[in-house]
Amino acid sequence: KAGVTQTPRYLIKTRGQQVTLSCSPISGHRSVSWYQQTPGQGLQFLFEYFSETQRNKGNFPGRFSGRQFSNSRSEMNVSTLELGDSALYLCASSPMRADEAFFGQGTRLTVV
Amino acid sequence: KNQVEQSPQSLIILEGKNCTLQCNYTVSPFSNLRWYKQDTGRGPVSLTIMTFSENTKSNGRYTATLDADTKQSSLHITASQLSDSASYICVVSFFGNEKLTFGTGTRLTIIP
Repeated sequence: KAGVTQTPRYLIKTRGQQVTLSCSPISGHRSVSWYQQTPGQGLQFLFEYFSETQRNKGNFPGRFSGRQFSNSRSEMNVSTLELGDSALYLCASSPMRADEAFFGQGTRLTVV
Repeated sequence: KNQVEQSPQSLIILEGKNCTLQCNYTVSPFSNLRWYKQDTGRGPVSLTIMTFSENTKSNGRYTATLDADTKQSSLHITASQLSDSASYICVVSFFGNEKLTFGTGTRLTIIP
C-alpha cells in the first residue's frame, strides 16, 4: 500500500512569488491535514480537509490556503511568499478525522 | 491554551543504553496521545498511540506510558541503536478538537 506522497520534495522560490504544494493521501483515506515545521516553532497545524471541506484551520495568515479534491488529493497554496515561510511542509492523511495520522516525507520550501 | 511540553530538549547516550523521554500536557480530557519518531528531513512516523484509558503501549524496543492523573507520558527506549538517532515528538489530540497539538520534540543522539 503506497504511503502519503508529497510533491515536489524540494522547492526554491523568491519573495513575493506564490507556490502550490501537492499531497496524495493513502488510498481510502479521506482526511488530509497540513503542517508547517520550522526549527524555531516545531510542527504547527495549518488546516485539515475532509470530504473536500476545510474542517479546521490553524493560526496562519490568509496567504496560506488549501483545497481537497473529490479523490481526496489536496493542494496547499502560499501567496506572496516571505522569507519566514521557509520550512518543511508536511501532509498527513487519516481514514477518518482524528484517526492516527500518517505523514508524507514533506516538501522543503526555501524562500530567497 | 492546550500545550504539550517535552523534556529534555536533547539527549546523547551510548549505543546499547536505555533512555526515557518525557511529555507533559495541559488540559484534559483528551482523545489520544501519540509518540512519533522523525528522522532529519523526513516526515514523522508513528511509534505508539494511546487513549486516555490506556496506561502503556509497546512497539518493539519502544514503550510508552501514560498517567492521565498527572498528565504525563514517557517514552522508554531499551537497548538503543544508532538508528534510534532522531527527534521524538509527543502529540496530543483533544476532545472536540481534531487539530493535533505537537510538543517541541526531544532530539536523541546515539553514539557508538
